[in-house]
Amino acid sequence: DVKVTQSSRYLVKRTGEKVFLECVQDMDHENMFWYRQDPGLGLRLIYFSYDVKMKEKGDIPEGYSVSREKKERFSLILESASTNQTSMYLCASSGGQASSYNEQFFGPGTRLTVL
Amino acid sequence: AQSVTQLGSHVSVSEGALVLLRCNYSSSVPPYLFWYVQYPNQGLQLLLKYTSAATLVKGINGFEAEFKKSETSFHLTKPSAHMRDAAEYFCAVCPRNTGFQKLVFGTGTRLLVSP
Repeated sequence: DVKVTQSSRYLVKRTGEKVFLECVQDMDHENMFWYRQDPGLGLRLIYFSYDVKMKEKGDIPEGYSVSREKKERFSLILESASTNQTSMYLCASSGGQASSYNEQFFGPGTRLTVL
Repeated sequence: AQSVTQLGSHVSVSEGALVLLRCNYSSSVPPYLFWYVQYPNQGLQLLLKYTSAATLVKGINGFEAEFKKSETSFHLTKPSAHMRDAAEYFCAVCPRNTGFQKLVFGTGTRLLVSP
């Protein structure tokens, strides 16, 4: 079974703090994704990566950055957290272009509260 | 740009009743289509996917969905609801004409099941 794990289930930070959200997958997947989930808005893509050290902006990258130094690990960084970044953050991974018809596997999510 | 519409942010059914969750996509070329389920405080789990092999797709937990090109729809159904089906359901599309596996999600439908 594919396992996608996220470093924290719940996180509380203060405005202005630098926040790291970590995601690790164990299936040697090339592609990794970060989404935020807000009521009524569904999932919105923040950043994605299709290879080590490669990253692409998603639909809402402002206020976020990412890092992918190893294939299995994809980190989301909030340089200076703000209250409007309070949300559920979901990490996902998927195989290469030729595999599994683009199915993404999700981690359990990190619920971040910024005070 | 590719988009997906889920009609109804909330759907309420009685236990044993038919479940119907609606999903329509916008694309001139039929995309790959997915239904995901999210139970409280968990990540998303794949229910089923359409990859053009068959228009009626069977998934886990007794759910199925039918792809109708003429209606650009991919509605999710289950003949008899169970209390454990109470969750949020997301429809997602992935365009076929892109080389990268980027999913576009609907805003979600919360299914409420009453005894």
